[in-house]
Order: sequence, then structure tokens, then C-alpha cells
Amino acid sequence: SYELTQPPSVSVSLGQTASITCSGDKLGNKYVCWYQQKSGQSPVVVIYQNNKRPSGIPERISGSKSGNTATLTISGTQAMDEADYYCQAWDSSTAVFGGGTKLTVL
Amino acid sequence: QVQLVQSGAEVKRPGASVKVSCKASGYTLTDFALHWVRQAPGQRLEWMGWIKAGNDNTKYSLKFQGRLTITRDTSASTAYMELSSLRSQDTAVYYCAREASGWSQQATYFDHWGQGTLVTVSS
Repeated sequence: SYELTQPPSVSVSLGQTASITCSGDKLGNKYVCWYQQKSGQSPVVVIYQNNKRPSGIPERISGSKSGNTATLTISGTQAMDEADYYCQAWDSSTAVFGGGTKLTVL
Repeated sequence: QVQLVQSGAEVKRPGASVKVSCKASGYTLTDFALHWVRQAPGQRLEWMGWIKAGNDNTKYSLKFQGRLTITRDTSASTAYMELSSLRSQDTAVYYCAREASGWSQQATYFDHWGQGTLVTVSS
């Protein structure tokens, strides 16, 4: 079955830039989206189609992809950005999620 | 505004079935595909299956084939997820999630989520 790989955790100092990666076989041929899940809450989409931001998501959150690795970047990280982040792609009409990355803001 | 409101927490014995509901408001239920995703404690999100927009066609993850049934009652604007032959490993929070419209299957995403329903399987 298809798999997406994320680092389990990333730490970033307040105001600095955080980068979370997501890699998978032939991910370069797929669209990637990212979900933010704060403790005890439902996921919220923050990036779709690799680099598009839904309305209401701050510009400091961005997405990119190079080859088979997608990256979620949070610039000027704020305390409110502390959450779990999941990448997701489609494989044969099945949604596949990465293992999630816990972002800790120091 | 769009809302997906799920039914309350459930406690089930191993071998039993559970049926979780997801009531949609702010849009027409049949206009959008509706997916179910679960999350075991401390684990990743796991896609289970979906019911298509416009008709009652469904697709399930191979992992849940034979145990999972997703249905929809348009008159009640409510979708349902029923999982049978429960085991302890099925203990999880179950979410319904609306698929964004206007995109191909490969380009779409989940634009609204329910609040989640905790299902605990324990003897």
C-alpha cells in the first residue's frame, strides 16, 4: 500500500521558520494537501494542491513540492501554530495520510 | 455556514457493531462526497471510505472491506458509518469529512470535518 513519510517531530523557536517534509514514491505526480490538528480538535486543511491556501489561512503558512518531497513551511512561527500536521495524497481513489509531525514552538 | 455534527461517544463490546451519524447543515448533502476517517489514540489519521456525491456509490479501504457500510439519508441530511465485528483495535475517534467540490479525485481535499465521535471497544 502507498505510504507517506513525515518526521515525527519538529521544534522551532518563536518567530523562526519551521519546515515539515512529506515524502512518498512518485509523490511528484500527485497533489499534496496539509492538515493542521490542534490538541483535541478536528483537522483543518491549511494547504491544498501542493501550495494553495484556503481562505482564512495566514500567508505565513505555505506549501511547496520538489521531486517526491513536499514541504510545509511556517514563517514567523507563533505559539498558536503548535499542532500536529498531516500530509495527504490520493492513491487509486484512496486517501493516504502521512504519519503526522508534532510541531513544538519553543 | 457549513457544519457537520456527529453523534455522541459510544462504548461497545468486542464483536458488536457501531453506527455513527453525521448531520450536515449549510449545504445539500448529496452535492458533495462524504468521507470517513478515523484516528486511534496517538495514531495517524486513517481513511476508511466514502460515499459519492449525487448517488449512493461507495468505496471502502481494503482494510475495512466486509465490515464497513457507509450510507446516506437525504431526507435527514445525515450520513452514517457502520462498523461491525468490532475489536479493541477499533477504539478510535471517527470523523466524517466533506470532500471539496469542483476538483478531480486526485486534486481534491477535505474542506470541512465533523467534531469526531469516540468509539471505545472494551470487554
